Amino acid sequence: AQTVTQSQPEMSVQEAETVTLSCTYDTSENNYYLFWYKQPPSRQMILVIRQEAYKQQNATENRFSVNFQKAAKSFSLKISDSQLGDTAMYFCAFMSGTSYDKVIFGPGTSLSVIP
Amino acid sequence: GAVVSQHPSWVICKSGTSVKIECRSLDFQATTMFWYRQFPKQSLMLMATSNEGSKATYEQGVEKDKFLINHASLTLSTLTVTSAHPEDSSFYICSASLGTETQYFGPGTRLLVL
Repeated sequence: AQTVTQSQPEMSVQEAETVTLSCTYDTSENNYYLFWYKQPPSRQMILVIRQEAYKQQNATENRFSVNFQKAAKSFSLKISDSQLGDTAMYFCAFMSGTSYDKVIFGPGTSLSVIP
Repeated sequence: GAVVSQHPSWVICKSGTSVKIECRSLDFQATTMFWYRQFPKQSLMLMATSNEGSKATYEQGVEKDKFLINHASLTLSTLTVTSAHPEDSSFYICSASLGTETQYFGPGTRLLVL
């Protein structure tokens, strides 16, 4: 069974600084997707970034980028130029690329951006 | 595009009553809808997966007789919590999929059982 682990329950960063959130996962599949979701205090789940396992190039979305290490089964999220609006829970997630069904979420990292 | 709504956004009910939560895909037809449960300061846990016109597939440990899921159309899925008890108080989130890797999440429903 697939599992997703986030070893940092809480993190903080100064506004305008850079922060990296860690995620590791376990799977025997070769075709899958990895995601980072943001859940602000409103609790609406927002997709931050998506990575396809068969793509070696790390995904980037504006200030958000990932470091995808397939062999190490590691998928970290880097947030550059942190903004107050980045304060939220961040969930790393996994989905099988063969069935497109359930998303398996990690336990989450609570990120606080300090002014 | 790809908006998912949930109704109600919050509900308070008495212990022993049933509560129905609706999940709608507003501008697309969803092949599959998913129901998640989230306790405070915890992650999302998948409860069940539903496909239009089919019986829902429940995750291990989720009581199918307590959490009734109906997926009557490609734009509507409902979750009914039957004979609700205080321990059912939680945040329930639905998501909808077009059959790809992207799931679109609803805003969630906060349930409080007194």
